Amino acid sequence: AQKVTQAQTEISVVEKEDVTLDCVYETRDTTYYLFWYKQPPSGELVFLIRRNSFDEQNEISGRYSWNFQKSTSSFNFTITASQVVDSAVYFCALAPSLYNFNKFYFGSGTKLNVKP
Amino acid sequence: DVKVTQSSRYLVKRTGEKVFLECVQDMDHENMFWYRQDPGLGLRLIYFSYDVKMKEKGDIPEGYSVSREKKERFSLILESASTNQTSMYLCASSPERWRGWNTEAFFGQGTRLTVV
Repeated sequence: AQKVTQAQTEISVVEKEDVTLDCVYETRDTTYYLFWYKQPPSGELVFLIRRNSFDEQNEISGRYSWNFQKSTSSFNFTITASQVVDSAVYFCALAPSLYNFNKFYFGSGTKLNVKP
Repeated sequence: DVKVTQSSRYLVKRTGEKVFLECVQDMDHENMFWYRQDPGLGLRLIYFSYDVKMKEKGDIPEGYSVSREKKERFSLILESASTNQTSMYLCASSPERWRGWNTEAFFGQGTRLTVV
């Protein structure tokens, strides 16, 4: 069974605070992909990052960083010095590599409110 | 830039009507998907297509069908709309594997369908 849990339904922070969005996944597959997508109020999902299960290196991209830990089946996302433009719904997703495309299993999303 | 375009942002339909949601992508992607997004449930896969005229059921296909007559276009059909199909519908596309790895999917802006 494939499952992604985002336990934080909604988070509110004040601008410039750091915030971590949690993602815990379940899979029996040994090879899989993990993703984070951002959904701004306009509606479309914007790709942020993809990780494959063999690559546990953490990644940093500007104010964004991701912590992938297979031992705890977690793929957490941290925004440093948050900005109002970061306000959105963030989805974590799991995709087994069984298919030659991404058959996503999405978490329920975390709504981030960044207040000025 | 990859563009996935959904024909309508908002639709209001009556119970029992046949409803067509259209999606067009301009990047010659082989794979196309329809998801449904509901609060607290994240995105759930309704149907997907990995080639023209090919389709497969996702996790929640009941009450829906799809059509893919041309590579760039993927239509979702609600044969007889019901109030429990009121939701946000998102279309996505993705290419085939590249160098052995799945790449990200690209999403449209969504169609918010209300069935009254």
